[in-house]
Amino acid sequence: RKEVEQDPGPFNVPEGATVAFNCTYSNSASQSFFWYRQDCRKEPKLLMSVYSSGNEDGRFTAQLNRASQYISLLIRDSKLSDSATYLCVVNSDAGNMLTFGGGTRLMVKP
Amino acid sequence: GAGVSQSPSNKVTEKGKDVELRCDPISGHTALYWYRQSLGQGLEFLIYFQGNSAPDKSGLPSDRFSAERTGGSVSTLTIQRTQQEDSAVYLCASSLVGAQTGNTIYFGEGSWLTVV
Repeated sequence: RKEVEQDPGPFNVPEGATVAFNCTYSNSASQSFFWYRQDCRKEPKLLMSVYSSGNEDGRFTAQLNRASQYISLLIRDSKLSDSATYLCVVNSDAGNMLTFGGGTRLMVKP
Repeated sequence: GAGVSQSPSNKVTEKGKDVELRCDPISGHTALYWYRQSLGQGLEFLIYFQGNSAPDKSGLPSDRFSAERTGGSVSTLTIQRTQQEDSAVYLCASSLVGAQTGNTIYFGEGSWLTVV
């Protein structure tokens, strides 16, 4: 089993739709969780950190479920510009190394 | 500098030649990562440096790959006797370990390597 797993998609949604991605992680000692966004042929960039209590940033909501070892990202009112690959990132307590999931591709259509 | 700087941004090399890729992390960041990403694929972890600790080399795909980090700052990734399957973008990233805000990782723009 991979340490961090994501559905690769693609998720094809119309503008204005709500879409959610999940990411599962295998290391129960993981402490820090992030969502990154990667545009085509660009480097990944931080979208948001994921806090235990859940957190929201505009149209984006991130949740953490430690018991089931998954994190989620919800995007409301999708925009064309949200089209990208969304990467789930998890660190393990040992060494603070970050592990990336394979990414979920989102395509928002007019 | 303000961000992670990588050079060269693009490199075309002949099969069998050696290449060196350089990464200059954000000043003060103690953690440095190298990843590789082939077109349309996910990020593949290569190597991780953290302060003065021994690097985690578990992701290096073969003994043709090596990396060093001098003085806890600049890192060089070396690929010897390049093969066509080494063609990819090589991404360097750094993070400030132990920061209150968490270990946010910042990426450079990558070095695009093409082996012909």
